[in-house]
Amino acid sequence: ETGVTQTPRHLVMGMTNKKSLKCEQHLGHNAMYWYKQSAKKPLELMFVYSLEERVENNSVPSRFSPECPNSSHLFLHLHTLQPEDSALYLCASSQDTRTGAEAFFGQGTRLTVV
Amino acid sequence: GENVEQHPSTLSVQEGDSAVIKCTYSDSASNYFPWYKQELGKRPQLIIDIRSNVGEKKDQRIAVTLNKTAKHFSLHITETQPEDSAVYFCGANFGNEKLTFGTGTRLTIIP
Repeated sequence: ETGVTQTPRHLVMGMTNKKSLKCEQHLGHNAMYWYKQSAKKPLELMFVYSLEERVENNSVPSRFSPECPNSSHLFLHLHTLQPEDSALYLCASSQDTRTGAEAFFGQGTRLTVV
Repeated sequence: GENVEQHPSTLSVQEGDSAVIKCTYSDSASNYFPWYKQELGKRPQLIIDIRSNVGEKKDQRIAVTLNKTAKHFSLHITETQPEDSAVYFCGANFGNEKLTFGTGTRLTIIP
């Protein structure tokens, strides 16, 4: 275990559903990330939070909405997704973002949009 | 734009031989270059990283070299073993916050 926990591990949702992915870390890290992993783009950065403030939104469609209520928790709210959004969504955390630090990944949520 | 290119996409190596994976990056300001290994069904995990103030770093059978002028860095695995089979990702930071990864290399070690 790396200390980064994601729930649920698997999620199947319809295109009209609203769901949320959850990520939790108790490593004392200040930065948290969402990555999308698919066959087309193996590790695609979506969002970066540093000290609970969003510092990067990597041109992600608005149907993905992140939330970071505190430095230990990160959510990804999903609504009106498309089948091409089916992928493995990985959360990661690191000590900080300033000088480059090891990112610890969660196990991921396997999302299927039907 | 911010880009990390990784080659090859697949690599098969006889057990005991060496494997080399290469990456190039676009931003000369990048200063942190990690390598991650992802085994089937598991999360990516850091195996080695290098910062821009050094040219080479070694950890047992794994080494990374960095050429800042040419903006490329490489992962070298010597005396490969079956457990080295995995997907390997190189990364580079852009503007510090953006840890961006290459497209991955699927390494297969042939017993």
